[in-house]
Amino acid sequence: SAVISQKPSRDICQRGTSLTIQCQVDSQVTMMFWYRQQPGQSLTLIATANQGSEATYESGFVIDKFPISRPNLTFSTLTVSNMSPEDSSIYLCSVKKNSGANVLTFGAGSRLTVL
Amino acid sequence: AQKITQTQPGMFVQEKEAVTLDCTYDTSDPSYGLFWYKQPSSGEMIFLIYQGSYDQQNATEGRYSLNFQKARKSANLVISASQLGDSAMYFCAMRGGNQGAQKLVFGQGTRLTINP
Repeated sequence: SAVISQKPSRDICQRGTSLTIQCQVDSQVTMMFWYRQQPGQSLTLIATANQGSEATYESGFVIDKFPISRPNLTFSTLTVSNMSPEDSSIYLCSVKKNSGANVLTFGAGSRLTVL
Repeated sequence: AQKITQTQPGMFVQEKEAVTLDCTYDTSDPSYGLFWYKQPSSGEMIFLIYQGSYDQQNATEGRYSLNFQKARKSANLVISASQLGDSAMYFCAMRGGNQGAQKLVFGQGTRLTINP
């Protein structure tokens, strides 16, 4: 499976600020996914990031709040903008290798706390 | 729309016993995939096992097996000979059959605690 590095692993942020999370993969992948896991909850897909096109957002998530970049086939960023305490969550990057297994591999996650 | 239901918020099991974690699903896609992930307190998501809707046999991976009952739309995870390190959150997830639908839909999870 792919190896995914996410940064930062955790951060404490002030209300009203923005934070960018980075996701680096050790191999080229077509699709990258960003998930949010609020405290005590399950994972919810924020958006799918495709190289060379705009990200596709799920219902309830908008580009102004969660802008995503996908400059190449191994890297993506998710920005959480104008943060509020409700944005305190674990944000996870996920990829599926272009061929072979059906498995989606996840990064270790970025645990954000907004004060 | 796809939906995953895990009805057990928490389970407590004695070490070395087998445990079954329930998962039911709902989809209109004829082709789909079912996954189980483990999430320890560190937060990472660890893939455990996968079952394709057309697979003839139940998937097995070491101590993990998936009891796939297609007619009942259930995909229960069975962990044999449980260990203390198995204590974690367990999520059942589904991927749709659409060519472009690689995204996963997750259940609410089951918190498994293994007692010594």
